[in-house]
Amino acid sequence: SQTIHQWPATLVQPVGSPLSLECTVEGTSNPNLYWYRQAAGRGLQLLFYSVGIGQISSEVPQNLSASRPQDRQFILSSKKLLLSDSGFYLCAWSGGGYTEAFFGQGTRLTVV
Amino acid sequence: SQQGEEDPQALSIQEGENATMNCSYKTSINNLQWYRQNSGRGLVHLILIRSNEREKHSGRLRVTLDTSKKSSSLLITASRAADTASYFCATTRGSARQLTFGSGTQLTVLP
Repeated sequence: SQTIHQWPATLVQPVGSPLSLECTVEGTSNPNLYWYRQAAGRGLQLLFYSVGIGQISSEVPQNLSASRPQDRQFILSSKKLLLSDSGFYLCAWSGGGYTEAFFGQGTRLTVV
Repeated sequence: SQQGEEDPQALSIQEGENATMNCSYKTSINNLQWYRQNSGRGLVHLILIRSNEREKHSGRLRVTLDTSKKSSSLLITASRAADTASYFCATTRGSARQLTFGSGTQLTVLP
């Protein structure tokens, strides 16, 4: 069966520090991968998506970047965090005959 | 940008009552999906309805879709305290099936 792992669950980082959030998927190949951000009490905003290794599409201009170094690995990064980067970050995948998306458990990022 | 908007933003009911949440969207769709999110957790897919379907059932869930009004509703019958969560509608777009979510309805079921 397919599983998705996202870590860490919570993270507190100072302003100006770098960021690296990792997401891996097991049990499927060539998934579509996504990074979403959710502000408190709000819906999800799509940040990045990828249809294959090295292929990254950005939905909104921001202080973040994404990379897909392996088929089932998706990384969200920043060189210098801003206060406004605080939020709940969710990784998800779709594909493999499934129409719906499957989500990781999320990372609560607080920039202080 | 938000494709869908949920109504109401928050809903509080007693256990055993039915809960109805509505979603409106802006563009044409192939399907519409509903997801559930427990507080501080990831989203879980509940049900999908295709654009050529008008109603779909899954257990205590009933989803309707009106493409002429660009709206959908999710009905949870005989609610339980464990149904307390946020519920989101989402539409799919693009070659990567990117999901665009509504703002969500926070459902609280009181025991």
